[in-house]
Amino acid sequence: DTGVSQNPRHKITKRGQNVTFRCDPISEHNRLYWYRQTLGQGPEFLTYFQNEAQLEKSRLLSDRFSAERPKGSFSTLEIQRTEQGDSAMYLCASSAGLGGSQPQHFGDGTRLSIL
Amino acid sequence: GENVEQHPSTLSVQEGDSAVIKCTYSDSASNYFPWYKQELGKGPQLIIDIRSNVGEKKDQRIAVTLNKTAKHFSLHITETQPEDSAVYFCAAFDNYGQNFVFGPGTRLSVLP
Repeated sequence: DTGVSQNPRHKITKRGQNVTFRCDPISEHNRLYWYRQTLGQGPEFLTYFQNEAQLEKSRLLSDRFSAERPKGSFSTLEIQRTEQGDSAMYLCASSAGLGGSQPQHFGDGTRLSIL
Repeated sequence: GENVEQHPSTLSVQEGDSAVIKCTYSDSASNYFPWYKQELGKGPQLIIDIRSNVGEKKDQRIAVTLNKTAKHFSLHITETQPEDSAVYFCAAFDNYGQNFVFGPGTRLSVLP
């Protein structure tokens, strides 16, 4: 399978715990994006990387959210001190080339449930 | 920032009929407009896209039209089939990487 891979598919945790999600993009894609999707809504952009550089992070929902892409390959999204409102689907996408006007290919997401 | 509106929110059609979903955007800097199909438990799947220098694009039963002046674009699905049933999202992206905005989605049901 050469698509975008996200792990875990589901994460259940208690409020106040930290969680980390992993995304493996399509291998030749240099751009990687994180989105959040709540029930009945479209994906909401959070942040993106071009190679290992995080070029936009002002849309991260709070300072409890952080993302890394240390070697320009896979990426992790961490949420610290989780809250009930963090329950959502977290989607990763990747694209090739430079510039924002490129097709983004999505993984199947990680569904986070906060107890 | 960019705002994308999408209508209708739900759409039911008979198998074989056509379906049209319309979106409007607000930021004239947006220059790339993809459409995604999302099935239950899956991530969004790109089905067709259009750039701002093109007015129409077609791929088999699916077509997209763009009116830059009016800032709206539409998805057209002809000869609908039950497997077309899903949630469809439009989006507006800009080349500077500042805006990746999705519409709220349209739930399409194709009735056999």
